[in-house]
Amino acid sequence: NAGVTQTPKFQVLKTGQSMTLQCAQDMNHNSMYWYRQDPGMGLRLIYYSASEGTTDKGEVPNGYNVSRLNKREFSLRLESAAPSQTSVYFCASSDRSTGYTFGSGTRLTVV
Amino acid sequence: GIQVEQSPPDLILQEGANSTLRCNFSDSVNNLQWFHQNPWGQLINLFYIPSGTKQNGRLSATTVATERYSLLYISSSQTTDSGVYFCAGGRTAGRRALTFGSGTRLQVQP
Repeated sequence: NAGVTQTPKFQVLKTGQSMTLQCAQDMNHNSMYWYRQDPGMGLRLIYYSASEGTTDKGEVPNGYNVSRLNKREFSLRLESAAPSQTSVYFCASSDRSTGYTFGSGTRLTVV
Repeated sequence: GIQVEQSPPDLILQEGANSTLRCNFSDSVNNLQWFHQNPWGQLINLFYIPSGTKQNGRLSATTVATERYSLLYISSSQTTDSGVYFCAGGRTAGRRALTFGSGTRLQVQP
């Protein structure tokens, strides 16, 4: 099925560990995004990529890095996880006519 | 950046009732969407509606761009409509990075 695929779906990390969240889309969209959602809140933009080869910071980029590996894939890396990064992470891609399509999310807990 | 305010924050309806959700923007936007987050956390794109009116079944949306607000109408609500409704807007069409409101939590009771 066409859409946005995120892996893993769940992850528990210890403080200081690193990990990479993977995201891939098969809709040939140019733009991709990473958001985080904390309990009872809306989504906040971490990083985005308007096109292959470009990335820009969003509202809450500290503690994260991203890589736009190719047009399909956009990964998010936590170099040294902190409890404040416990959240649900959503990846999305978009085009001009239909807007955003979201992945199913990654639930991350940092202990 | 753009501020997005949604109202009401919480809404409880009886099955079959109608409702209107509102979204106000602090500045003009040329990219506006409504999403439904179901109880399992999945985000579903309801409408891409930077201006005008669209309808999809029992749901419709209207955006008045010049007055910086958008409305989502839910008619004949069903229990499956429960969840959180988010609106999100962006000012730069090229980058298309949306700013989200804090959502309206809807509970439809049988």
